[in-house]
Amino acid sequence: EVQLVESGGGLIQPGGSLRLSCAASGLSVMTNYMTWVRQAPGKGLEWVSVIYAGGSTNYADSVTGRFTISRDYSKNTVDLQMKSLRDEDTAMYYCASGKTWLSSWGQGTLVTVSS
Amino acid sequence: DIQMTQSPSSLSASVGDRVTITCRASQNIGRYLNWFQQKPGKAPKLLIYTTSSLQIGVPSRFSGSGSETDFTLTISSLQREDIATYYCQQNNSTPYIFGQGTKLEIK
Repeated sequence: EVQLVESGGGLIQPGGSLRLSCAASGLSVMTNYMTWVRQAPGKGLEWVSVIYAGGSTNYADSVTGRFTISRDYSKNTVDLQMKSLRDEDTAMYYCASGKTWLSSWGQGTLVTVSS
Repeated sequence: DIQMTQSPSSLSASVGDRVTITCRASQNIGRYLNWFQQKPGKAPKLLIYTTSSLQIGVPSRFSGSGSETDFTLTISSLQREDIATYYCQQNNSTPYIFGQGTKLEIK
């Protein structure tokens, strides 16, 4: 069974940085695509970033140049480094992957950007 | 970027009703269309992938159809536990945009 557990969320001031982590079990982050999806309070789902098995990455326009996705083989984790955070980055951040497209999701970690 | 437009944005139906939600892509995405269900306070759950493939464990009253730019999620007989918000998402090309969601309520 695939399990994904996010961590690293919290309250951060605008302009600050935060690093989210997603710990995977039941699949390897090195041989599967791994994605981040976020959801602002009361809003819909927004795809944020993906890292593919081959290591290539893609980002939503709204985070390009500010967010970086990476993975750690030894820990079997995928991270999302977030810089220059803005109020509009406030959201629940989900890690998702799976044997079929986004069939497994974590419980999410909440990021609040506020002064 | 490909835009995804869902309709309706909200829907009220009775238990036992047949419910249809549509999703339109701004350009041809082949069959790279997926459907998710999200209940309040919970992570999304994959229902249908690649237009019409039912995810393991999802009841057979859920089905999907379509191709290219027009897609449909159908619930053949609405149950109370189906009350949720439903999202389509294309994974033909990045960014993997979601539709804006359809909130389904019981009449």
